[in-house]
Parts: sequence; structure tokens; C-alpha cells
Amino acid sequence: GDSVTQMEGPVTLSEEAFLTINCTYTATGYPSLFWYVQYPGEGLQLLLKATKADDKGSNKGFEATYRKETTSFHLEKGSVQVSDSAVYFCALSALRSNDYKLSFGAGTTVTVRA
Amino acid sequence: DSGVTQTPKHLITATGQRVTLRCSPRSGDLSVYWYQQSLDQGLQFLIHYYNGEERAKGNILERFSAQQFPDLHSELNLSSLELGDSALYFCASSVTGSGDTQYFGPGTRLTVL
Repeated sequence: GDSVTQMEGPVTLSEEAFLTINCTYTATGYPSLFWYVQYPGEGLQLLLKATKADDKGSNKGFEATYRKETTSFHLEKGSVQVSDSAVYFCALSALRSNDYKLSFGAGTTVTVRA
Repeated sequence: DSGVTQTPKHLITATGQRVTLRCSPRSGDLSVYWYQQSLDQGLQFLIHYYNGEERAKGNILERFSAQQFPDLHSELNLSSLELGDSALYFCASSVTGSGDTQYFGPGTRLTVL
């Protein structure tokens, strides 16, 4: 079945450091890929998405490129801020049994220190 | 703010009890999904409704049921509650339910004592 594997956290960084969170997936066909972010005490917010190979999703300084050859969708940000402290989830959506649902990775907790 | 609302925000109850969680989708969205987030199992898909009809089931226990009403709001009913049902329950909505982006509500935190 479909699955998403994220690098394990927690990840602790200093402000202005470079952030990368690895995400690889297993799925047949051509899933859509997503990054969601969960700030403390809040629900999940869509951060960015890509729907086909070589697409790059970007938002709020974060970027991720859909790489079909390596089945990856790594999240990057060049200079993090304290406000980026959150849990980040990689997810995929694919048509299975005539329906779409999201399959999530385990989440990566990121803490940015001033 | 995603536009998806969930009530209540917190719920504390005892084992064996029954609770109802409510979700109102974004205006114009026909699909509602329910997910459970727990420490041991992560985020798991429970069930999907589209325009009032059940579209797909995931890892949903038989003690749990859901429905979507004509005004498109949805309710998740959890009965014979066990300690292990303590979790965050999210609903999400999308326009078509055919692979378009799902927008999540703030969640309901259920604690079973």
C-alpha cells in the first residue's frame, strides 16, 4: 500500500539556519504530494503541494520538488525563523478503491532557537 | 483560518460513554474527511463523505460511525469509549473529493478517563 517516510526528529536549529526535512514515498501511479504544518495547539495547515513529477511547490520561503526518479519530496527553507517551530507532515494522495485519501508520514518536530 | 470549524475543541469523558464530534466544512466544499491523530499511530484516515454519501472507509472501528447531513456538516459518533480512543480528531474538507486539496479544521481533543 501507499506509505510516506519522513526523517525522524526532533530537529533543533538556530535562527537563519538552513532546514531540510527528507520525505520519501511508496505508491503506484502518480500521487499528489503535500507538506502540511501543525503549529502548537493548532490544526494542520497546507504548506505546499505538487501534483506531478518535477513540479516545485513553494510557500512562505519553503520549497519542495516532486522527484519521481527518487520517489522523494524533501522540504527545504534557506533561513528559518523562530516562528517556523512546528511539526511538519509529508503526505500523499492517490486514487485507491475509487477514492482519494491522504496518507501521512509520522511528522517531524522542528524547533528553532533565537 | 482554513474555514473548517469543529466543535467542541476539548472533550473529557469516561470509558463506556458515547460522544459526538461535529464538523462544518468550508463554504462550497462537498467532501468531508475524518482523521484520528494519536501518539502511537500518527495521523490515520477514518472515513470520507461526499455530498451526504459515504465514499470510503479507512481504519475506523465498528464502535465509530459518521454521517453527513443535507447542509453538509458532518458528525463523528464514538461509542463504548476506551482509554485508547483518546486522541485528536480532525476533519478536513475539499471541493470535489477527487484528489483536490483537503483543508483541515482545528481538531477536537478527546480524553477518555
